[in-house]
Amino acid sequence: KQEVTQIPAALSVPEGENLVLNCSFTDSAIYNLQWFRQDPGKGLTSLLLIQSSQREQTSGRLNASLDKSSGRSTLYIAASQPGDSATYLCAVSTNAGKSTFGDGTTLTVKP
Amino acid sequence: DAGVIQSPRHEVTEMGQEVTLRCKPISGHDYLFWYRQTMMRGLELLIYFNNNVPIDDSGMPEDRFSAKMPNASFSTLKIQPSEPRDSAVYFCASSLTSGGASTDTQYFGPGTRLTVL
Repeated sequence: KQEVTQIPAALSVPEGENLVLNCSFTDSAIYNLQWFRQDPGKGLTSLLLIQSSQREQTSGRLNASLDKSSGRSTLYIAASQPGDSATYLCAVSTNAGKSTFGDGTTLTVKP
Repeated sequence: DAGVIQSPRHEVTEMGQEVTLRCKPISGHDYLFWYRQTMMRGLELLIYFNNNVPIDDSGMPEDRFSAKMPNASFSTLKIQPSEPRDSAVYFCASSLTSGGASTDTQYFGPGTRLTVL
């Protein structure tokens, strides 16, 4: 059974700082890995998706990496802004349909 | 596109009542997912469909839960009878899957917040 762990559970940083969120998973036979953002009381918004054959994806200030052999992914956020404050969730799919989510990291960026 | 549409957004009911949650996926998407999110258990996949056919319902907690997808543009999640422990936010998501990075992305609806008294 796939297990996904995200550390830390919460993170607080000053505005402008670069930061890294971590995601680890137990079964390396994955189909893809996605990073989502969730604002309080809202649904999830996909940020980046990495296919199993890829090593990283970039979108603006965000960069996600994937190391299947070690069962790890990181989400790098450059020059953080208060608007980045949200919960970030990692989801691992072991086939085209079934996803397992981590519990998320709640990020607070202080002005 | 309006995105994934869910209704109702909030539902308050009493224990023992039947609850029906509704979802309209993004047009053209071939996968539909139902999730439940609670503080204690996080986000859990309940069931997913491919081309209107249920593929994996192993996450459905018990027989009180059922889901249907009568056509490509509509799905329901029903709880009968409802219990207080069913209180959670229920999300529907859809995706178009063909193996490319620009697809496979799951698009989530705003969720239905269910409270069972």
